[in-house]
Amino acid sequence: KQEVTQIPAALSVPEGENLVLNCSFTDSAIYNLQWFRQDPGKGLTSLLLIQSSQREQTSGRLNASLDKSSGRSTLYIAASQPGDSATYLCAVPYSGNTPLVFGKGTRLSVIA
Amino acid sequence: NAGVTQTPKFQVLKTGQSMTLQCAQDMNHNSMYWYRQDPGMGLRLIYYSASEGTTDKGEVPNGYNVSRLNKREFSLRLESAAPSQTSVYFCASSDFVAGGRGEQFFGPGTRLTVL
Repeated sequence: KQEVTQIPAALSVPEGENLVLNCSFTDSAIYNLQWFRQDPGKGLTSLLLIQSSQREQTSGRLNASLDKSSGRSTLYIAASQPGDSATYLCAVPYSGNTPLVFGKGTRLSVIA
Repeated sequence: NAGVTQTPKFQVLKTGQSMTLQCAQDMNHNSMYWYRQDPGMGLRLIYYSASEGTTDKGEVPNGYNVSRLNKREFSLRLESAAPSQTSVYFCASSDFVAGGRGEQFFGPGTRLTVL
């Protein structure tokens, strides 16, 4: 059974810092990995999707990497801003191209 | 494009009442999903529909039924609500086909309280 773990559960950083959020999964036979952002009381916004054949994806100040063999992904946020404050979730399919299993998220606070 | 829409946004029920949560997507996606989100538990899959005419149970299906009305709409029904079903419910859709990206898109959620 696929299990997803995110460390740390919460993180507080001063504005301008570069930071890394971690995600690990137990079954490396994944189809893809997706990073989401969730603001308080809101839905989930897809940030990045990495296909199993890819090593990384970039969108603006965000860079996500994937190491399937070790069951790990990282989300790198450059030059953090207070507007980046949110909960970040990673998710992988149960198996193949199927519904997602989510980690419990990392709650990020960027202090001005 | 509206993406994934859900109604209602908020609902309060008494134990034993029934209700249906509605979800629609306008992205022509084949697959649709219902998740619930609870503090400390994260998001968990209730039911999903890989394509029109099919539905499958997820991790926490007890107490729920679903209907894939057509390609656009996927509803979730609580027949006899219980306090344990107090949660935030999210509907999602994706291009779940062989070779597809499988990216999921989420609705804004329904916040349900069962008293």
